[in-house]
Amino acid sequence: EAGVAQSPRYKIIEKRQSVAFWCNPISGHATLYWYQQILGQGPKLLIQFQNNGVVDDSQLPKDRFSAERLKGVDSTLKIQPAKLEDSAVYLCASTPVDTQYFGPGTRLTVL
Amino acid sequence: GIQVEQSPPDLILQEGANSTLRCNFSDSVNNLQWFHQNPWGQLINLFYIPSGTKQNGRLSATTVATERYSLLYISSSQTTDSGVYFCAVEWSGSARQLTFGSGTQLTVLP
Repeated sequence: EAGVAQSPRYKIIEKRQSVAFWCNPISGHATLYWYQQILGQGPKLLIQFQNNGVVDDSQLPKDRFSAERLKGVDSTLKIQPAKLEDSAVYLCASTPVDTQYFGPGTRLTVL
Repeated sequence: GIQVEQSPPDLILQEGANSTLRCNFSDSVNNLQWFHQNPWGQLINLFYIPSGTKQNGRLSATTVATERYSLLYISSSQTTDSGVYFCAVEWSGSARQLTFGSGTQLTVLP
């Protein structure tokens, strides 16, 4: 069984630029999550989808972050404009019911 | 929200030694998972263990939900066990969302 796929793996941008991350969850997993992991900390939830609907986006900085999950499969997370403090690893996870499975993450550096 | 505390924050072992990592949480949970984050950043599932005891090779875990803690045991540690170990809990009042602790950084020396 293929795992959670993410791309790109690494991204370096200047502040105020925009960036997008892509996630393909494990086939059949209805629930998808995006997390932000800052160096030295545990992952923190940004947004949760159930199929193509948003369950919880209370931790998403909506003035600059947006996310969508069209057709209830792939998902895209966008940052526009990026700030220095957005430098982090962005992790995507999916779950069929209880156990969450994580992708390899995208490491974003904002200069 | 729920608070998750892990200890110790850092642990250095010689290869072959045993260790115990602890996770304390402040409220009732529906789900508890242990993860290993390898040096490349990949989070790998170790255990789904909301209660009871499970074993997988040299690793085992015990969760005592009534006392709000979980333990991860690593026996006969190997250099490949190095990395960060995270405990994550799904608070009973959340919609299947995990709250992570700050992790235990384990270094196993050859």
